[in-house]
Amino acid sequence: AQSVTQLDSQVPVFEEAPVELRCNYSSSVSVYLFWYVQYPNQGLQLLLKYLSGSTLVESINGFEAEFNKSQTSFHLRKPSVHISDTAEYFCAVSSHDKIIFGKGTRLHILP
Amino acid sequence: DTEVTQTPKHLVMGMTNKKSLKCEQHMGHRAMYWYKQKAKKPPELMFVYSYEKLSINESVPSRFSPECPNSSLLNLHLHALQPEDSALYLCASSATGVGQPQHFGDGTRLSIL
Repeated sequence: AQSVTQLDSQVPVFEEAPVELRCNYSSSVSVYLFWYVQYPNQGLQLLLKYLSGSTLVESINGFEAEFNKSQTSFHLRKPSVHISDTAEYFCAVSSHDKIIFGKGTRLHILP
Repeated sequence: DTEVTQTPKHLVMGMTNKKSLKCEQHMGHRAMYWYKQKAKKPPELMFVYSYEKLSINESVPSRFSPECPNSSLLNLHLHALQPEDSALYLCASSATGVGQPQHFGDGTRLSIL
């Protein structure tokens, strides 16, 4: 069975500092991985996805994630965070007709 | 702006009421989903429709009744709900096939009195 583990429930970071949100997956078949972001009082937005090809995927707002098969990881990074990045971030893996979500990591930006 | 539209945004209802949540998408997606999300938790899958047919029901109580009238619309009919059903209800859609990302609406925040 496929699963996703987000080890950190909350990550505090100062504004303009770098951040890494960790995600590890478990899968016995081809892996399709996603990061979703949920801003307060909104639905989930797709941040980026890994389907195949280059192991480094980037989003339009400065986030990137690297697929690492040997470490079964898909960590999300941003070199400099902004107050507007305050949100809940969900790592997810595609499984047949479903998406399996991790428990989420709350990114808390400190002024 | 989201491409999946959900109405209403907020709904307060008593335990004896009947109400419906609506979801609409015009991206040509043939898979649609209902999720329930409690505070500080990930979304929990409730139902999946593929080509307007119910393909997955995650053992949801019968007081929740989904309906897919056409490829663009998805409804969730509510009847005799319990206070623990208060949550954010999210609709999503995707193209069919493995690895397709889902696109979410902003949800309906439901409160049961």
